[in-house]
Amino acid sequence: SQTIHQWPATLVQPVGSPLSLECTVEGTSNPNLYWYRQAAGRGLQLLFYSVGIGQISSEVPQNLSASRPQDRQFILSSKKLLLSDSGFYLCAWSVHNLDQPQHFGDGTRLSIL
Amino acid sequence: EDKVVQSPLSLVVHEGDTVTLNCSYEVTNFRSLLWYKQEKKAPTFLFMLTSSGIEKKSGRLSSILDKKELFSILNITATQTGDSAVYLCAVDSPIIQGAQKLVFGQGTRLTINP
Repeated sequence: SQTIHQWPATLVQPVGSPLSLECTVEGTSNPNLYWYRQAAGRGLQLLFYSVGIGQISSEVPQNLSASRPQDRQFILSSKKLLLSDSGFYLCAWSVHNLDQPQHFGDGTRLSIL
Repeated sequence: EDKVVQSPLSLVVHEGDTVTLNCSYEVTNFRSLLWYKQEKKAPTFLFMLTSSGIEKKSGRLSSILDKKELFSILNITATQTGDSAVYLCAVDSPIIQGAQKLVFGQGTRLTINP
């Protein structure tokens, strides 16, 4: 069966520091991968998606970037964090069959001080 | 701009009650509507709806889609304390072939009191 792992679970970082969040999927190959942010009191917002290795698309302009160095690995990064980057970050995967749903990881709660 | 609106935002009921959660949407392209349950961390998938008027059921949960009026409802009968969670509605508004773009509502926080 397929599983998705995200780490770390929680992270407290000072403003201006770099960021690297990692997501890996097991039990499937060539998945679609997605990064979402869930801000307090707001719905999940799609940040990035990837349909293959090295292919990244951004949905909203922001201080973050994403990379997919391996088939089942998706990384969310920032060179300098802002206070507004605080939130709950969720990674998700899906197969390329659009009749199947996305499945989410447990998320990373990021607090910027 | 694509938009998904859920109501109510918060709901408190007693165990055994029946609840109805609402989701309305305005999107440029519609492929499907999904419901997720989020207890503490990962949202877990409940239903995917693509056709109007066809009810999907799983135990005490059921959902239906109306593509003419642009809304969906999620019903939970004989609620239990384990049903307490945030229920998320999302609409898949296509990006490119083979990828989904889920637009989420704010969620409904459901609390079931014993």
